[in-house]
Amino acid sequence: ETGVTQSPTHLIKTRGQQVTLRCSSQSGHNTVSWYQQALGQGPQFIFQYYREEENGRGNFPPRFSGLQFPNYSSELNVNALELDDSALYLCASSLGQDSSGANVLTFGAGSRLTVL
Amino acid sequence: GENVEQHPSTLSVQEGDSAVIKCTYSDSASNYFPWYKQELGKRPQLIIDIRSNVGEKKDQRIAVTLNKTAKHFSLHITETQPEDSAVYFCAATGYSSASKIIFGSGTRLSIRP
Repeated sequence: ETGVTQSPTHLIKTRGQQVTLRCSSQSGHNTVSWYQQALGQGPQFIFQYYREEENGRGNFPPRFSGLQFPNYSSELNVNALELDDSALYLCASSLGQDSSGANVLTFGAGSRLTVL
Repeated sequence: GENVEQHPSTLSVQEGDSAVIKCTYSDSASNYFPWYKQELGKRPQLIIDIRSNVGEKKDQRIAVTLNKTAKHFSLHITETQPEDSAVYFCAATGYSSASKIIFGSGTRLSIRP
């Protein structure tokens, strides 16, 4: 059984550029969530994908977008990068909410984005 | 809006002593409360979780308590060891928020030898 893998692990961009981050979900998981973790803070929910469609979104502007593919892998795209976008971007996969409402997440190691 | 508050932000305890981290949540529909441990430079890892139909859950040295009336939950670590040093995050989710999990701001736990 493979865990959640993310790429790239680190990257540096300049303001106004665009970035694509990639995530492969854990074997058997059909749901992918993306989180932004600024230094010294807790992860902030960006959005979640299930069956290739977004089914939940946090307080992030439309320049944050995503995709999920038939093999359940996912991409996070950020356009018009701003300095405040510098953070660790975490991908988490899961089986979605179970009958008790639990959404048990397994996180990847993250992609650290620096915007200059 | 939905919010999870976590206290304290930093905690230092003597090895062997107990550590307690407390969280409150705002969404009364929340019914799942996980705790994650994040070591420096590593991914968050689930260490224990509790659902709203129970008030307490224990796993070896770790326990979590939930008070739904007061909308707060706590993590208790007994007999702390050096490897317990990390940042701990509480979180909450629920039917009203569908897939969203809201995290607290984290507690940096340091174990003094």
